[in-house]
Amino acid sequence: DTGVSQDPRHKITKRGQNVTFRCDPISEHNRLYWYRQTLGQGPEFLTYFQNEAQLEKSRLLSDRFSAERPKGSFSTLEIQRTEQGDSAMYLCASSVPGERSYGYTFGSGTRLTVV
Amino acid sequence: AQRVTQPEKLLSVFKGAPVELKCNYSYSGSPELFWYVQYSRQRLQLLLRHISRESIKGFTADLNKGETSFHLKKPFAQEEDSAMYYCALSGHGGSNYKLTFGKGTLLTVNP
Repeated sequence: DTGVSQDPRHKITKRGQNVTFRCDPISEHNRLYWYRQTLGQGPEFLTYFQNEAQLEKSRLLSDRFSAERPKGSFSTLEIQRTEQGDSAMYLCASSVPGERSYGYTFGSGTRLTVV
Repeated sequence: AQRVTQPEKLLSVFKGAPVELKCNYSYSGSPELFWYVQYSRQRLQLLLRHISRESIKGFTADLNKGETSFHLKKPFAQEEDSAMYYCALSGHGGSNYKLTFGKGTLLTVNP
């Protein structure tokens, strides 16, 4: 599968623990996005990278959230001191350079459950 | 601010019937509009882009700037069309590459 890969697929953690998710985009895509989706809602934008630069962050991304994309390849999203409200599906997507009109390719997501 | 509204959470039709999934948007400039689909146990995938004016799996969508709408239509629904459909908008200019999604419409096509 040469699409967008996310790991793990599921994560159950206790409140207060830290979690880290990984996303491997399509190799020739230089833009990478993180979204969060809760039940009954569409995906909500969290942040995006162009190569290794994080160019925009949503207000949804509190200071407990941090995302990195070292070397402009894979990306990680870390949530510190998790709260029950962080339970959601975390989606990663990537897109070709300079062509917004092609839309995104999404990964399967990481489902986080905070207990 | 950009906003996408899908007024129907659920839509149920019979096989062979026409289907229309509504999408209205709010954006001050010229947006790019998309429809994404998520079949059961599959990842979210792009269905249509307004800029390409294409028909995919029999679905079409026309951007109506006057009514700020981008409704998705298919003349004869098939059971395999049953899925969650999301309308999404991307703004223009600067680094505004993010997509804003509606809450989605769950389409069920009954036999």
